[in-house]
Amino acid sequence: KNEVEQSPQNLTAQEGEFITINCSYSVGISALHWLQQHPGGGIVSLFMLSSGKKKHGRLIATINIQEKHSSLHITASHPRDSAVYICAVSSGWGGATNKLIFGTGTLLAVQP
Amino acid sequence: GAVVSQHPSRVICKSGTSVKIECRSLDFQATTMFWYRQFPKKSLMLMATSNEGSKATYEQGVEKDKFLINHASLTLSTLTVTSAHPEDSSFYICSAVRLAGKQKITDTQYFGPGTRLTVL
Repeated sequence: KNEVEQSPQNLTAQEGEFITINCSYSVGISALHWLQQHPGGGIVSLFMLSSGKKKHGRLIATINIQEKHSSLHITASHPRDSAVYICAVSSGWGGATNKLIFGTGTLLAVQP
Repeated sequence: GAVVSQHPSRVICKSGTSVKIECRSLDFQATTMFWYRQFPKKSLMLMATSNEGSKATYEQGVEKDKFLINHASLTLSTLTVTSAHPEDSSFYICSAVRLAGKQKITDTQYFGPGTRLTVL
């Protein structure tokens, strides 16, 4: 069993839909990251959070430390949101200087 | 925002040759950089942690003589794939850690755009 599990693995949505991607982890963490990878490979860090909720534009990330669970929400989805979304956790303590453990990613396709 | 670059973005080489990939933090100093490898339709796999001024720490199963890492300055880490073979063909990604200032609580990790290596 992977230490970081994401669901769903694949997601197809219609433009405008509200999207949720889930991440569960089984290790102690100092922070959880949500990353976006577009075709072509480049990775963008969307959020790094250790508690509560963060919002950036149409993206919202939440984390429940007790339940070891995080969700990434996309409101009013758009075809340009199509990408692979990766959940990763920093184990131990030390913020981003600790190595990341990655989930397998969620491939999102938003159709016009 | 902070930017991390990689060079080259794409390289094709013959089997047996060595290939050097550079990872640069363009507007901040990074004492720690990470090197990852990604196979098609798979997640990232950490290869090694590169610390400025010291030897890299390799993950289990990664050959340090095969994948040479040098972190000679606070803005540059290099990964050299020595005597490359077709099985080394992959997407290599680096990330650099921007240390938090006094006003911030946590550090932030920034990813490079990746280098696609094809070994013929």
